[in-house]
Amino acid sequence: GNSVTQMEGPVTLSEEAFLTINCTYTATGYPSLFWYVQYPGEGLQLLLKATKADDKGSNKGFEATYRKETTSFHLEKGSVQVSDSAVYFCALKVSGGYNKLIFGAGTRLAVHP
Amino acid sequence: DTAVSQTPKYLVTQMGNDKSIKCEQNLGHDTMYWYKQDSKKFLKIMFSYNNKELIINETVPNRFSPKSPDKAHLNLHINSLELGDSAVYFCASSQATSRDNEQFFGPGTRLTVL
Repeated sequence: GNSVTQMEGPVTLSEEAFLTINCTYTATGYPSLFWYVQYPGEGLQLLLKATKADDKGSNKGFEATYRKETTSFHLEKGSVQVSDSAVYFCALKVSGGYNKLIFGAGTRLAVHP
Repeated sequence: DTAVSQTPKYLVTQMGNDKSIKCEQNLGHDTMYWYKQDSKKFLKIMFSYNNKELIINETVPNRFSPKSPDKAHLNLHINSLELGDSAVYFCASSQATSRDNEQFFGPGTRLTVL
């Protein structure tokens, strides 16, 4: 079946530290991959996406590269800020699958000054 | 302007009651969704409607009944509420014909069943 596995949190970092949140997936066909972010008390917002192998999604200093050979879509940021504290969700959408998003369990990031 | 809105934001009720959550989107999208987020933040799709037609119906108790009066609205009615229904419920919408099919989420409704 289709599934997404994310590293367990919480991830606690100091401001300006480097961030990696691992995400691997299992899917039939050629999925599109997404990172969503949920700030405290809010709904999910799309952070970045990649629709085919070797695509790199980027937004707000975050990046993730669609790696088909390792079935991964790890999220990275070179220098985190306190305002990046949130829960990050990796998700996939299988092509032709009625646009159904399958989410990972989410990884909470806490950034301290 | 709010893109996807939900009411109410908070809902506290007793076991056994029946309640509804409403969702509206003003993005002109043709597809709407309901997701449930449990206390551990795990997010799972429940239903999806495309042009008022039910297209995704995950393994959800039949106490949950979605209703889509038009493309801009998708309401969720829950009968005989149970403690395990306590969660945050998110509505989302997307345009099925768009290449990336980005889903836009509402702010969530926190349901607490006592």
